[in-house]
Amino acid sequence: EVQLVESGGGLVQPGGSLRLSCAASGFTFSKFWMNWVRQAPGKGLDWVASIKQDGRDEFYVDSLRGRFTISRDHAKNSLFLQMNSLRPEDTGIYYCTRASEWQWPPGTFDVWGQGTTVTVGS
Amino acid sequence: EIVMTQSPATLSVSPGERATLSCRASQNVGRHIAWYQHKPGRAPRLLIYDVSTEATGVPARFSGSGSGTEFALTISSLQSEDAAVYYCQQYDDWPPFTFGQGTRLEIK
Repeated sequence: EVQLVESGGGLVQPGGSLRLSCAASGFTFSKFWMNWVRQAPGKGLDWVASIKQDGRDEFYVDSLRGRFTISRDHAKNSLFLQMNSLRPEDTGIYYCTRASEWQWPPGTFDVWGQGTTVTVGS
Repeated sequence: EIVMTQSPATLSVSPGERATLSCRASQNVGRHIAWYQHKPGRAPRLLIYDVSTEATGVPARFSGSGSGTEFALTISSLQSEDAAVYYCQQYDDWPPFTFGQGTRLEIK
């Protein structure tokens, strides 16, 4: 079964850091672009970042570049999101997603995890 | 950045009827449009990509149409399990990939 399972969310104070993880299974992880998408409370979906299959190219929404870093580990079949200098507006559910194989641009997200919740506050 | 605008914000339709959800892009996005279904507490689900191609396992009652800047998702015969928020998304001009604000579909 193709599956993505996120972890690492939690409550953090403003200015703090969190590292989200996403464990992939049921498919050849190294063949797919991977992404993070988030949803603030009561709001819609927002794309956060994408990483190419080989991990050499990363793309971010402008407002988060410099604070968030996406990475991947093929030995662990895992995707990561390092989040620094967190702000209350970063609160939300963070979804790990897979981009469809053979699609270009790599913007159709055909597999999603259940999400992990990040709360930034005191 | 391409802005995606969905209408209406909320749509209430009776079971068995047709529901049409609209999506407008702030500039031409060709055929690079996808639609997602999102139910509370669940992972979003890809329904349609490339304007009108159904994703694997999606019931035939879901269809997509449009071109350029105007797009639509149609559910031909609404069922109770179709209650959800639906998002359109463009992937033509990126980064960023951008989503609409969503249409909440209610079943009467």
